[in-house]
Amino acid sequence: GAVVSQHPSWVICKSGTSVKIECRSLDFQATTMFWYRQFPKQSLMLMATSNEGSKATYEQGVEKDKFLINHASLTLSTLTVTSAHPEDSSFYICSAHGGGSTNSPLHFGNGTRLTVT
Amino acid sequence: RKEVEQDPGPFNVPEGATVAFNCTYSNSASQSFFWYRQDCRKEPKLLMSVYSSGNEDGRFTAQLNRASQYISLLIRDSKLSDSATYLCVVNEGYNNNDMRFGAGTRLTVKP
Repeated sequence: GAVVSQHPSWVICKSGTSVKIECRSLDFQATTMFWYRQFPKQSLMLMATSNEGSKATYEQGVEKDKFLINHASLTLSTLTVTSAHPEDSSFYICSAHGGGSTNSPLHFGNGTRLTVT
Repeated sequence: RKEVEQDPGPFNVPEGATVAFNCTYSNSASQSFFWYRQDCRKEPKLLMSVYSSGNEDGRFTAQLNRASQYISLLIRDSKLSDSATYLCVVNEGYNNNDMRFGAGTRLTVKP
C-alpha cells in the first residue's frame, strides 16, 4: 500500500532555531501533500496544503512566514518551523492521497514530535 | 455547526462488548468517507473506507447513511488492542483540500 515517510520522528531544539521536517511519498507521486499539527488530546488541525511546483495554501491563522513549506518534487515536501518557540512544541504530521485520486484515502507520515526548549 | 461531528466519548467498554460510533457530516455533496484509528502519540492509520452499501472487515462494520448524513462504525467482540481514538474523515468534494476530520472518539476497552 501507499507509504508516506516523515523525518525526523522527534526533535528537540532551542528557542529561536529553525527545524526542517521532511515528508516523502515512497511508492507513489504526490502532487499535493498536507501538513497538520496536533496538540495533546486535541484533534488534527490542518495547517497547509503543499502543492508541487507552486505555493502552499495556508489555513486561516497559520503564519506562512513562520511555517515555510517547499514541495520541490513529486515525492518530497518539507515544512520548516522558523524561529521556533516553546508554543510551537507539538506533533506535526503530513499526509497524501495514496491512490493519486482525491477520493482515495489519506496516508499519513509517522509524525514528528517537536519540543522547543 | 462543525462540518464533521463525532461524540468525543470516552467510551469505556469491557472486553467482548459491541460498541458503535456515529459521525455526522454537514455537506450533502460529500464524496467519500473513511474511518481512521489513532493511537496515543502516533499518526492516524486507515481502518477502513466506507462504501455506500456498507462494508465489513472482520469485527469491524462500517455503514453510510446519505439521507441522514452520517456514517457509523461498529466493533464487535472488542479487544484490549482496540483501545484508541477513532477518527471520522469525510471528503467533501473533488479538490485536494476538501478532507474534513472529526475530532475523534476515544475508546477504552477494559479487561
